Amino acid sequence: RKEVEQDPGPFNVPEGATVAFNCTYSNSASQSFFWYRQDCRKEPKLLMSVYSSGNEDGRFTAQLNRASQYISLLIRDSKLSDSATYLCVVNSNTGTASKLTFGTGTRLQVTL
Amino acid sequence: NAGVTQTPKFRVLKTGQSMTLLCAQDMNHEYMYWYRQDPGMGLRLIHYSVGEGTTAKGEVPDGYNVSRLKKQNFLLGLESAAPSQTSVYFCASSRRGVGNQPQHFGDGTRLSIL
Repeated sequence: RKEVEQDPGPFNVPEGATVAFNCTYSNSASQSFFWYRQDCRKEPKLLMSVYSSGNEDGRFTAQLNRASQYISLLIRDSKLSDSATYLCVVNSNTGTASKLTFGTGTRLQVTL
Repeated sequence: NAGVTQTPKFRVLKTGQSMTLLCAQDMNHEYMYWYRQDPGMGLRLIHYSVGEGTTAKGEVPDGYNVSRLKKQNFLLGLESAAPSQTSVYFCASSRRGVGNQPQHFGDGTRLSIL
């Protein structure tokens, strides 16, 4: 089983739609969680951290379910500019460094 | 406002050649990392460093060496390049500390080994 698993997609949605991605992780001791965004042929960029109580940043909402070991990302009112690959990232901290494990990403394509 | 800078951006090598990828960060971060990204596999950690003069192996260290002689620089070396090392290489840095420390990435080096 992969440490971090995501549905690769692609998710094709019309502009204005709401779309949600899930991600599961295998290490129950994981301590922190992130969503990164990666545009085609570009570097990953931090979208948002995921907090235990859930958190929102504009149109983006992240949730964490420790019992079931998954995190989710909800995007409301999708924009064309949201088209990208969304990487689920889990910190299985070694105690000496911020060791991140990346999912392979979920591709989102927002269309007119 | 440079952040993390990688050089070169692109390179083509022949099997057996050597080269060094340079990563420089201006955010005074303690931790630095080298990843490779291959289709369908996500980013995989090659080596990392928690401070000047220290390095450690990541998930896929074979065939690579690294050095962190200065806090702001992290070098990745390929002593004898192999076609399996064709990939996109990303450098990243983060602040010290356990917990919620996100990593900041350079814009990548595309390396092809013929």
